[in-house]
Amino acid sequence: DTGVSQDPRHKITKRGQNVTFRCDPISEHNRLYWYRQTLGQGPEFLTYFQNEAQLEKSRLLSDRFSAERPKGSFSTLEIQRTEQGDSAMYLCASSLFLAGASYEQYFGPGTRLTVT
Amino acid sequence: GENVEQHPSTLSVQEGDSAVIKCTYSDSASNYFPWYKQELGKRPQLIIDIRSNVGEKKDQRIAVTLNKTAKHFSLHITETQPEDSAVYFCAASEPVGGYGGSQGNLIFGKGTKLSVKP
Repeated sequence: DTGVSQDPRHKITKRGQNVTFRCDPISEHNRLYWYRQTLGQGPEFLTYFQNEAQLEKSRLLSDRFSAERPKGSFSTLEIQRTEQGDSAMYLCASSLFLAGASYEQYFGPGTRLTVT
Repeated sequence: GENVEQHPSTLSVQEGDSAVIKCTYSDSASNYFPWYKQELGKRPQLIIDIRSNVGEKKDQRIAVTLNKTAKHFSLHITETQPEDSAVYFCAASEPVGGYGGSQGNLIFGKGTKLSVKP
């Protein structure tokens, strides 16, 4: 499968615990995005990278959230001291940025987080 | 920042009829407008997109129109089939400063649940 992959697909954790999610983008894509989706809503932007550089962070991304893309390939999203309000689907997307133009974003299957 | 409104929130049509979903956006600088289809429990899938330098784009039974002056864009599905039943999301992307106007993150509407009855 050459699409965007995410791991794990489901995560149940207790409030206060830390969790980390991984995203592997389409191999030739240099941009990687993280979104959060709650039931009945559209995806909400969290942050994105171009290669290893984190270019933008949403105001939704509190200090408990941190994302990395150390080698410009896969990315991790960590949530520290999880809260029940963090329960959501965390979606990763990737796209190609080339010669000043960005192309379509393709989404992964998501990681569903449940905080109990 | 950008804000995207989407209507209707639910839409029910008979198989074979057409379906139209409308979105408005607030930031006149936005220049890229994709539409995603999301089936229950699955990832959003890009079905069509349009850039601000064109007014209409068509792909088989799906078309998107863009009115930059009014800041709205619409998805048209003709000859609907039961497999078109899903949630459809519109989105808009603002150009990223310093990157020649290329789009960055997407701002999504709240979605339209389309049901196509056989």
